Amino acid sequence: GEDVEQSLFLSVREGDSSVINCTYTDSSSTYLYWYKQEPGAGLQLLTYIFSNMDMKQDQRLTVLLNKKDKHLSLRIADTQTGDSAIYFCAESFHRYSTLTFGKGTMLLVSP
Amino acid sequence: IAGITQAPTSQILAAGRRMTLRCTQDMRHNAMYWYRQDLGLGLRLIHYSNTAGTTGKGEVPDGYSVSRANTDDFPLTLASAVPSQTSVYFCASSVDRGDEQFFGPGTRLTVL
Repeated sequence: GEDVEQSLFLSVREGDSSVINCTYTDSSSTYLYWYKQEPGAGLQLLTYIFSNMDMKQDQRLTVLLNKKDKHLSLRIADTQTGDSAIYFCAESFHRYSTLTFGKGTMLLVSP
Repeated sequence: IAGITQAPTSQILAAGRRMTLRCTQDMRHNAMYWYRQDLGLGLRLIHYSNTAGTTGKGEVPDGYSVSRANTDDFPLTLASAVPSQTSVYFCASSVDRGDEQFFGPGTRLTVL
């Protein structure tokens, strides 16, 4: 079955870069997503990448995909205290299939 | 209202009681979803609906039922609550299945 793994916790200092990693088992995953959950709130889609892409950049966010190793990463440049949240990696086989979420990585940014 | 709302915000419930969690969206989205979020387990899909009048089972449907009588509302019912259903429940919607999902603020449910 599908499985998505993430490290549970990451702590960085304000201004540093953060890298959150995710591995998935289903090699047929086509769509890979990063969601952000702030305290007491629902999930918000940050960015996504298609499996035929290696990299996607959106302002401070860079997503890297290593399809051979089934490894996805989210890099946040110049991390701010407002970036403190839980970040979820998710994948789907095709556009209309359900999402499989990882357990989430809690990012703590200290001043 | 704007977006997607859930009610109640939180609830403490005795085991064996019936409970309905409400979810309403005003974005005219066709697809809606119910997830539960548990520490160490992430989000797991309970039920979904691709369009009004249709529903489907997700990863963990047992003990839950849903209905989709209209586009806006997607209630989740626990017929006889058990302590293992203690969780935070999130409703989400998307224009169509596979589009970006927008999440509600969640309902924290405790079953004693």
